[in-house]
Amino acid sequence: AQSVTQPDIHITVSEGASLELRCNYSYGATPYLFWYVQSPGQGLQLLLKYFSGDTLVQGIKGFEAEFKRSQSSFNLRKPSVHWSDAAEYFCAVGSGGGADGLTFGKGTHLIIQP
Amino acid sequence: DAGVIQSPRHEVTEMGQEVTLRCKPISGHNSLFWYRQTMMRGLELLIYFNNNVPIDDSGMPEDRFSAKMPNASFSTLKIQPSEPRDSAVYFCASSRGLNGANVLTFGAGSRLTVL
Repeated sequence: AQSVTQPDIHITVSEGASLELRCNYSYGATPYLFWYVQSPGQGLQLLLKYFSGDTLVQGIKGFEAEFKRSQSSFNLRKPSVHWSDAAEYFCAVGSGGGADGLTFGKGTHLIIQP
Repeated sequence: DAGVIQSPRHEVTEMGQEVTLRCKPISGHNSLFWYRQTMMRGLELLIYFNNNVPIDDSGMPEDRFSAKMPNASFSTLKIQPSEPRDSAVYFCASSRGLNGANVLTFGAGSRLTVL
């Protein structure tokens, strides 16, 4: 069964500083990988996804993520965070076979300091 | 597109009462998912449907939980009787298919508080 680990429960970053959120997955084949963001009181919004090809994927709001098969990782990055980036971030893995939706990590809560 | 629509957004009820949460998926999406989110357990998949048929309900915690999808544009999640430990945010999501590559679009969630 697939699984996702987000080792950081909380991360605090100063506004304008760079950001990296960690995600490690466990899956036997090439996974489909996603990052979602959840603002307070809202549902989850897709930031970006990786299916195949270029291992560096660009998403919305200036985010990017890099798939590293050797490390089973899919870390999310942003060069300069804004106060509006404060939210909960979820990494998720989907199986190629289908029929079981996504498996989500527990999430990382991002706090932005002024 | 109005997105995935859930109602109610907030529900406060007393233990033992029946709770019904509703979801309207995006038109054209044939897969629908119900998730539960709590601080302790994070996001849990409860059940999902494909073409209105329940495919996997192994995530449904107890017989007190049931879900239906009578047509392509409507689904309900019912808890009867409700208990305080059912307090959580319940999300509905839809997608164009069940393949793991399909992107889920989430509703805003229904926050349930059982007193």
